[in-house]
Amino acid sequence: DAGVTQSPTHLIKTRGQQVTLRCSPKSGHDTVSWYQQALGQGPQFIFQYYEEEERQRGNFPDRFSGHQFPNYSSELNVNALLLGDSALYLCASSLQLISGNTIYFGEGSWLTVV
Amino acid sequence: AQSVAQPEDQVNVAEGNPLTVKCTYSVSGNPYLFWYVQYPNRGLQFLLKYITGDNLVKGSYGFEAEFNKSQTSFHLKKPSALVSDSALYFCAVRDGTGFQKLVFGTGTRLLVSP
Repeated sequence: DAGVTQSPTHLIKTRGQQVTLRCSPKSGHDTVSWYQQALGQGPQFIFQYYEEEERQRGNFPDRFSGHQFPNYSSELNVNALLLGDSALYLCASSLQLISGNTIYFGEGSWLTVV
Repeated sequence: AQSVAQPEDQVNVAEGNPLTVKCTYSVSGNPYLFWYVQYPNRGLQFLLKYITGDNLVKGSYGFEAEFNKSQTSFHLKKPSALVSDSALYFCAVRDGTGFQKLVFGTGTRLLVSP
């Protein structure tokens, strides 16, 4: 049973560029959330997707956008990159309608903005 | 709004001794509480959760956590620490609504010495 998979593992971008990160949820899961973990901090919630719609959003600017596909996989897009966007981006998957279900995380995508 | 406090940046313990990593939370309604572990340059690995029922929850790798509603705490414990337990530990909370946003603490680094 494959867990949550993310790609790419590492990437380096230049300020002002755009980046797309990808996530495949754990088999059987229908909900994908994205988190940003800056160095030395706890993960911060960016947004959550269910049924191909953004359901909940954290305190992140509109430069952060996402998408969920019919197969439940998801993309995180960040436009006009800033140095402060350098972080580990974590994808989490879960089952929407199961109360108290476990939320599983992927290994993350390390983004460095130079 | 939910919040989590992990009052200790680092916990030091000798191998074979019991360990405790502290967590207190604030949430409206019934809390769903989680502990995750993060090894260097890795994603988050689920350890255990409290949803309802018995206040003592057992999880992976011999870890357990005690839910205390009156003290709004969810401390992580292990009777006998291993050097391999050295890692970064995160406590997280979500409320009991349909939204699955996790709010994380700042993390506690556990260092187990031989």
